[in-house]
Amino acid sequence: DILMTQSPATLSVSPGDRATLSCRASQSVRSNLAWYQQKPGQAPRLLIYGASTRATGIPARFSGSGSGTEFTLTISSLQSGDFAVYYCQQYNSWPDTFGPGTKVDIK
Amino acid sequence: QVQLTQSGAEVKEPGSWVKVSCKASGGTFSGYSFSWVRQAPGQGLEWMGGIVPIFHIAKYAQKFQDRLMITADESSSTVYMELSSLRPEDMAVYYCARGQYQLLSGWFDPWGQGSLVTVSS
Repeated sequence: DILMTQSPATLSVSPGDRATLSCRASQSVRSNLAWYQQKPGQAPRLLIYGASTRATGIPARFSGSGSGTEFTLTISSLQSGDFAVYYCQQYNSWPDTFGPGTKVDIK
Repeated sequence: QVQLTQSGAEVKEPGSWVKVSCKASGGTFSGYSFSWVRQAPGQGLEWMGGIVPIFHIAKYAQKFQDRLMITADESSSTVYMELSSLRPEDMAVYYCARGQYQLLSGWFDPWGQGSLVTVSS
């Protein structure tokens, strides 16, 4: 199975600041990577697929980049509703695997 | 826009089995894949398996190969997850999620609201 790692585990950011989250795959997943946001008590919500394509209804302040083994999710100006846990997922090789998540909390 | 509605919370004894349902409404069911992803308390997401109902093909993560069954009823647009030989470590929130058209691998959107399964004697 492809191992996904995410860093940092926790990111403390002030509202209005930029947040940069990293995701790394143990082998190339090309651009077959998705990002999800999960708030406490809620199901995950798709943000990005294909490494850089925003899902329907996702604000432009969320952007994804990368390919191969290194990926980044950037939130350009954090709003109060963005404080959550973010997961990456590779779907290049079966089985699909998720990273352990990055918690973005208020500084 | 498709919405996935899951069955309610369950409390089960170790060694028993649980069946969770996921009903799709408001959108296209046929042709899409559906997966089950679980999340233990305070932990991350774990893909368990998926099904493409139109092809009657289900695939499972090796970890669950011998005790997981995923089925679908196209007439009611419902997908089911049945996990047997329950252990305390199976306590988790179980999510269904729609995948890609005719593909088991891919991103998941949307997700059901989750079903908490508690395993306790």
